Amino acid sequence: EPEVTQTPSHQVTQMGQEVILRCVPISNHLYFYWYRQILGQKVEFLVSFYNNEISEKSEIFDDQFSVERPDGSNFTLKIRSTKLEDSAMYFCASSVWGASDNEQFFGPGTRLTVL
Amino acid sequence: AQTVTQSQPEMSVQEAETVTLSCTYDTSENNYYLFWYKQPPSRQMILVIRQEAYKQQNATENRFSVNFQKAAKSFSLKISDSQLGDTAMYFCAFMKRQGAQKLVFGQGTRLTINP
Repeated sequence: EPEVTQTPSHQVTQMGQEVILRCVPISNHLYFYWYRQILGQKVEFLVSFYNNEISEKSEIFDDQFSVERPDGSNFTLKIRSTKLEDSAMYFCASSVWGASDNEQFFGPGTRLTVL
Repeated sequence: AQTVTQSQPEMSVQEAETVTLSCTYDTSENNYYLFWYKQPPSRQMILVIRQEAYKQQNATENRFSVNFQKAAKSFSLKISDSQLGDTAMYFCAFMKRQGAQKLVFGQGTRLTINP
């Protein structure tokens, strides 16, 4: 069964460094999402992406964040200058289309630790 | 803005018992979807069940059913004949029917099924 995959599973970085989190959505899906979960808190929406454009972003998704689909398979989340408060679990998701009755399939997550 | 609240951080039952997980939400929207996602240990979140707010009939998927009370803004998940494989984190989530396709999650309930 097709799955969303994410790499790496755990990333440790120093404050101020750039990180790129990678996701491979399910191949026929058109909509892509990033969510994050700070330890002990709720899973929060960051951004949705369709047709090489951001369709929606939350207030968390400031200028330090960017997303890209550099090729036909990868979907990346870049954090330009990491802060301690960026430490969280980051989940990628994809769906066939963006209608709200359409299931979002989640990856296993990348745990980001900023020191 | 929408909020989702799960008031039970942890629950534990014996195998074969029935368990009910609670979820309440707040919204001014009239048309929306509600979801229960399951996240087994070290695995990705998967959709368990979905309810459309404009449907009065409660959704059912095999051993999983919901009790959707729209006026009370309550959306509980019942797991019948619980199995060891039901051990997981369970997240309740909300999505507007129109507009942004972002999921708004509750804090999660950690469910343990004991043999």
